[in-house]
Amino acid sequence: QVQLVQSGAEVKKPGSSVKVSCKASGGTFTSYAISWVRQAPGQGLEWMGGIIPRTGTATYAQKFQDRVTITADTSTSTAYMELSSLRSEDTAVYYCARDLVIVVITDTYYYYDMDVWGQGTTVTVSS
Amino acid sequence: DVVMTQSPLSLPVTLGQPASISCRSSQSLVYSDGNTYFSWFQQRPGQSPRRLIYKVSNRDSGVPDRFSGSGSGTDFTLKITRVEAEDVGVYYCMQGTHWPPTFGQGTKLAIK
Repeated sequence: QVQLVQSGAEVKKPGSSVKVSCKASGGTFTSYAISWVRQAPGQGLEWMGGIIPRTGTATYAQKFQDRVTITADTSTSTAYMELSSLRSEDTAVYYCARDLVIVVITDTYYYYDMDVWGQGTTVTVSS
Repeated sequence: DVVMTQSPLSLPVTLGQPASISCRSSQSLVYSDGNTYFSWFQQRPGQSPRRLIYKVSNRDSGVPDRFSGSGSGTDFTLKITRVEAEDVGVYYCMQGTHWPPTFGQGTKLAIK
């Protein structure tokens, strides 16, 4: 059974960057994808982007396109989400979640499944 | 982006009574492969979201059968036959048919 374990809470200054990790265990990291979703205090869920670790292909929501970088290290089964130019509005809990990837011959299909979630990482941006 | 609109946003329910949450999408969620990539998530207080239902009506492993999903096209419903104390939390719908995936605003279920 796949488990996703995220790195610990972070406190950052405005203008700085944060990098959150998501380590997978219990499955084959290269057989699925990872989404990143954030939740501001008292607010709903917002998809930020996702990555297919097998190919390294990442896709980002337009809102975060200029500030977010999602990567994956297949040797350690770990996905990363780095958010730069932090502002107070980025204070939130950041989650990683597993997505489904299906490969048919040379085509790769990405399905936003989010069937397994990490425990969340609280990022606080404050001067 | 596809807008997902849930109602009600607040749902007080008496223990043992049924509950129903509606979610409407701004576009049809039927994908070109014929599937509808629509899910329901439960977020209990202080916990991560947990997927309950996928592809409209399929329950995830371990989800009690008092939860059921239905709907098609743009209109979807989550029903709980008899609410229990452990069902307290926020419920979100999500579409994965159109990029980017989008969530509803959430419906807070509380015990009356």
